Amino acid sequence: EAGVAQSPRYKIIEKRQSVAFWCNPISGHATLYWYQQILGQGPKLLIQFQNNGVVDDSQLPKDRFSAERLKGVDSTLKIQPAKLEDSAVYLCASSLSKDQPQHFGDGTRLSIL
Amino acid sequence: AQKITQTQPGMFVQEKEAVTLDCTYDTSDPSYGLFWYKQPSSGEMIFLIYQGSYDQQNATEGRYSLNFQKARKSANLVISASQLGDSAMYFCAMREGLRSWGKLQFGAGTQVVVTP
Repeated sequence: EAGVAQSPRYKIIEKRQSVAFWCNPISGHATLYWYQQILGQGPKLLIQFQNNGVVDDSQLPKDRFSAERLKGVDSTLKIQPAKLEDSAVYLCASSLSKDQPQHFGDGTRLSIL
Repeated sequence: AQKITQTQPGMFVQEKEAVTLDCTYDTSDPSYGLFWYKQPSSGEMIFLIYQGSYDQQNATEGRYSLNFQKARKSANLVISASQLGDSAMYFCAMREGLRSWGKLQFGAGTQVVVTP
């Protein structure tokens, strides 16, 4: 089965610019997660979708970050405007349900100049 | 408060030897799950093994086994017969069953380097 697909693989932008990341989960997976992994740390959940509804966005900086999963499949995560501290790897994961293991994509490595 | 603690930032292990990676957790939820993931330098997170809080036996998956000590709140990963390809970052994570929608909380990770 195809894994979780993410693009782009790398992105370099200047602070105050905007950026968007895309994720295509494993087919049939209802639950989709976006994590932020800062260098030297474990991933931290930003937002979780169950189908196309948000079930947890408690750690999403909503003043600059937004995410959507309009048709319950693909998802996009946007940052506008970016800050230096947003430099990180953004990981997308999906699972059949909240109780099943999560499968991760390769991530998008974001560098803010 | 830190939910998952991995006290070993880095370890060297010789090929063919076994290595134990420590993980302690903190939760008051009676239902929870513990996971180990491997992250090679390429960046992808690879699921290795899972232990549920009500599981009676320690989980095993090939060369990976989980030493689950519930009273001590520890879930150490044991990798037997280490291979060069095991060099990676290893993360312990917890999902609290009754209080979350499946969110994983990760530790800071342990960097493992396998030497010939």
